[in-house]
Amino acid sequence: DQQVKQNSPSLSVQEGRISILNCDYTNSMFDYFLWYKKYPAEGPTFLISISSIKDKNEDGRFTVFLNKSAKHLSLHIVPSQPGDSAVYFCAASASGNTPLVFGKGTRLSVIA
Amino acid sequence: DTAVSQTPKYLVTQMGNDKSIKCEQNLGHDTMYWYKQDSKKFLKIMFSYNNKELIINETVPNRFSPKSPDKAHLNLHINSLELGDSAVYFCASTWLQGGTEAFFGQGTRLTVV
Repeated sequence: DQQVKQNSPSLSVQEGRISILNCDYTNSMFDYFLWYKKYPAEGPTFLISISSIKDKNEDGRFTVFLNKSAKHLSLHIVPSQPGDSAVYFCAASASGNTPLVFGKGTRLSVIA
Repeated sequence: DTAVSQTPKYLVTQMGNDKSIKCEQNLGHDTMYWYKQDSKKFLKIMFSYNNKELIINETVPNRFSPKSPDKAHLNLHINSLELGDSAVYFCASTWLQGGTEAFFGQGTRLTVV
């Protein structure tokens, strides 16, 4: 039972263009959403988050959009850079004592 | 100065052996987790500890026994290792209160032969 789904296993984007990574969730109790970035042989590192009271959060080149009615969020990276090439995990949690639930990840390749 | 550190990074062992993975965090967090990333790349929660107390234990064989001597440490002991235990195990820490990110260790790649 996948509560967090990333339906695109991979994405290729040219350097300088926008990367859009998508994530869907099924659990309506989730109220906090995060994106993590993972390089090979390293642990996931936190990138950006959004609370359910917002629909957008921006941090430099990274913007996360949340559509609660559609139970959908997306991560926009613009402009994309070769160093952004990594696996991106979407994660969600509910208020209180709940660990993060992760999607399967999307491998982003930014081509120079 | 690593925030969440795991040892060892790589572990190769034979079926039937008992092994431990250690995790330490210096962030002052009150909650620590063990996650497993299997061959399908899913990151799945195994255990959650808050202030040394077990609060979540997902469907994990009882051959896996976490131990938390203090809130900065959460070790994972695995008895009678099986081939299916081969995976990457990640330790993470956070504050119990929701709305905060978790910090992850570098992972331990366990290979059972």
